[in-house]
This record gives sequence, C-alpha cells and structure tokens, in this order.
Amino acid sequence: EDKVVQSPLSLVVHEGDTVTLNCSYEVTNFRSLLWYKQEKKAPTFLFMLTSSGIEKKSGRLSSILDKKELFSILNITATQTGDSAIYLCAVNNAGNNRKLIWGLGTSLAVNP
Amino acid sequence: DTGVSQDPRHKITKRGQNVTFRCDPISEHNRLYWYRQTLGQGPEFLTYFQNEAQLEKSRLLSDRFSAERPKGSFSTLEIQRTEQGDSAMYLCASSVAGQETQYFGPGTRLLVL
Repeated sequence: EDKVVQSPLSLVVHEGDTVTLNCSYEVTNFRSLLWYKQEKKAPTFLFMLTSSGIEKKSGRLSSILDKKELFSILNITATQTGDSAIYLCAVNNAGNNRKLIWGLGTSLAVNP
Repeated sequence: DTGVSQDPRHKITKRGQNVTFRCDPISEHNRLYWYRQTLGQGPEFLTYFQNEAQLEKSRLLSDRFSAERPKGSFSTLEIQRTEQGDSAMYLCASSVAGQETQYFGPGTRLLVL
C-alpha cells in the first residue's frame, strides 16, 4: 500500500532558528513529490520535486529529493512567526496521477 | 481573483439535512478534485473530474455523496442525509491534465449538529 510519512509530527522553535522537515514515502511508480503549506485555510503550493539532488529554493525555504532513499526534506532558515503552519507532503505516482497520497503533516510553531 | 473559489465557506446544518457545496476551478484547468480533511489529518481524496467526466470516486465515499461537473467548469458536491461524522473541511482543487500541481480553494467547513 502506498504511504507517505512525515516527521516530526509537531515542532516548536524560536524565531531565527532553522528547521528541517522530513517526508519519506513508499509509492509504486513514483512520479513527483509536492510540498504544501497549510495555515487556517486550504493548502498552498510550495514546491514540486521530480529529480534527485536538485534543490528547489524560494526565499528562506528550500527542498530536495532523494529518490534512492525515498525521502525529501524541507528546510526553513531564519524562521519567522509567519512560518507557523502545517507543512504537508504529498506524492504522485505515475500510474495514478489523478490524486495525491498525503502525509499527515508537520505542525510547526515559531515563537517570538 | 483567478484562483479556485468555493461557496459557502462555512455551513452549519442539522443531522439528516442535505447540503450542497460549489467549486469554481481556475478557468483553464480541466481537472477538478474534491477532498475532505479532518483535524490532524491530510486531505482525503473523494473524487475527481476531467472536464465533465467523473473519472474516479473513492471507495470510502458512501452513496450519500454525489458530485457533478455538468459543463466541465464549476462542480457541486452534495451530501444527503448528513451525519455528524460528515463534519469536516471540504476542499476543492484544480489542475491541468498532465501537470501534477493542484491548486486548492479556501475550502468549505461543514459542521453537522
């Protein structure tokens, strides 16, 4: 059965800290991995990763995929209180690209 | 705003009533998805459309749930004879066929009393 596991489930840090969120997966015919940020509303898209070793970067956020070890990490540097959210990882497989397999998310709280 | 929109944003209903939600996808997106999300969980797939065709419906979805996309643009999700367990956030997302990134609407939060 396909599954996506995120860790940690929750994390509390202070402003300015750097955090690393993990997403591991077991999916047949992997196609892509997506990261979303969810505040008190619907998820918003962050990154899509398809190739190993190529870092995607947007401001203080970056992400990389390891298709050999079947995981991805999402890094946030110099965290701010506005980064507080649930970060969701989802995987798309080539045979079933009409829906995403979701992890449970990592709840990040950034305290001032 | 050219993003995905959903209506209503909140719905409170009594058990046994029927409810209908609407989703308007991004205009050039031909795929439309419905998800349900409860607290502490990731989004759970319900169904999806490509244009007006409903191509898959989750086995978890009971017969009380039905979705339509009659003209390949907006979609409606109806829940008949609501139960307290239906209380959740109902999310709609859209994408372009062949591109995996899905863009979500703000969701409709349903509370069944």
